[in-house]
Amino acid sequence: DQQVKQNSPSLSVQEGRISILNCDYTNSMFDYFLWYKKYPAEGPTFLISISSIKDKNEDGRFTVFLNKSAKHLSLHIVPSQPGDSAVYFCAASGGSNYKLTFGKGTLLTVNP
Amino acid sequence: NAGVTQTPKFRVLKTGQSMTLLCAQDMNHEYMYWYRQDPGMGLRLIHYSVGEGTTAKGEVPDGYNVSRLKKQNFLLGLESAAPSQTSVYFCASIQSPTNEKLFFGSGTQLSVL
Repeated sequence: DQQVKQNSPSLSVQEGRISILNCDYTNSMFDYFLWYKKYPAEGPTFLISISSIKDKNEDGRFTVFLNKSAKHLSLHIVPSQPGDSAVYFCAASGGSNYKLTFGKGTLLTVNP
Repeated sequence: NAGVTQTPKFRVLKTGQSMTLLCAQDMNHEYMYWYRQDPGMGLRLIHYSVGEGTTAKGEVPDGYNVSRLKKQNFLLGLESAAPSQTSVYFCASIQSPTNEKLFFGSGTQLSVL
């Protein structure tokens, strides 16, 4: 049973446009959500996070939105740059032990 | 700063062979994790540790064993490798559950023939 779902395996956008990556979750105990970015042959790196007490968190070109009632979050990248091309993982945690549950990832390609 | 270091980076095993993957972190982190990444499957938690001398099972623990004898090291063992264990393995660490950032190593590419 997949608790964190990224239903789009890939996304292609033009440089300068907005990239929107989506993530759904099923576990109501999740209270912290994160996005990680991964380049080939490298480990994932933390990008941005949001607590369940908020509905939006912004960091430069990156904004994460959380809709708790729909159990949905999204990552917006504006404007998209070719260097943003990578696999993006949505992750969630909840409870006393810090265990992250990851989605399957979305490959973002930003075309010049 | 080295952060999280994984050795080896690449390894090819024959079915039935054993090996140990080493993860070392120099950030004095309490929590350490082993994940595997497979195409179309994302990152799945194998085992984790909440402190020196402790280990716990994650989502896909079968066929693996772990040890955390020293705070800075987290070892992942394969006693009898199987082709299904062909994967990229990532180690990660974090200071505490209140810390946002899980730090990852660069991965170990393991092929079992």
